[in-house]
Amino acid sequence: DIQMTQSPSSLSASVGDRVTITCRASQSISRYLNWYQQKPGKAPKLLIYAASSLQGGVPSRFSGSGSGTDFTLTISSLQPEDFATYYCQHSYSIPWTFGQGTKVEIK
Amino acid sequence: EVQLVESGGGLVQPGGSLRLSCAASGFTVSSNYMSWVRQAPGKGLEWVSVIYSGGSTYYADSLKGRFTISRDNSKNTLYLQMNSLRAEDTAVYYCVRESQSTAAFDYWGQGTLVTVSS
Repeated sequence: DIQMTQSPSSLSASVGDRVTITCRASQSISRYLNWYQQKPGKAPKLLIYAASSLQGGVPSRFSGSGSGTDFTLTISSLQPEDFATYYCQHSYSIPWTFGQGTKVEIK
Repeated sequence: EVQLVESGGGLVQPGGSLRLSCAASGFTVSSNYMSWVRQAPGKGLEWVSVIYSGGSTYYADSLKGRFTISRDNSKNTLYLQMNSLRAEDTAVYYCVRESQSTAAFDYWGQGTLVTVSS
């Protein structure tokens, strides 16, 4: 199985900060990498698919990059509604696996 | 509008069985790739199973044949039959649609909580 490792596990940031979350795959997954946002008590929401494509309706302050084994999710200017947990997930081959999550908290 | 509504969760004793349902609207279940994803309390996301539009099914290795995914095309509903339940199966179970064009989980249900405890 492909293992997905996110870093950091949590971070504290202020409104307006630029935030970067990284995700590393245990083997090359090309660009089969998706990012989700989850708020407490809610289902996850798709933000980015295929490493860098923005899902419809998602603000442009979210962006993704990377290929192969190393990927990043960037929030260019953190907004109050962005405080949440973020997960990466590969769709390269079954079984799909998720990273352990990165919790973005208010500083 | 696409909607996924899960039901069937609840409290079950270890070794028991439960069947989850996911009623879909706004699209056709049988024409899409449909998965179940679960989340144990306070933990991360774990993919459980998928059924493809052609009917092929796949499962996480950890389930070891205890779960079965299926669908009823006439009811536009997805199911997850869970047998020999263990405490570690306690989780919120989400019904999820996988976009065939993007290979990402683009629509999620609200989730249904399964608690395995004596």
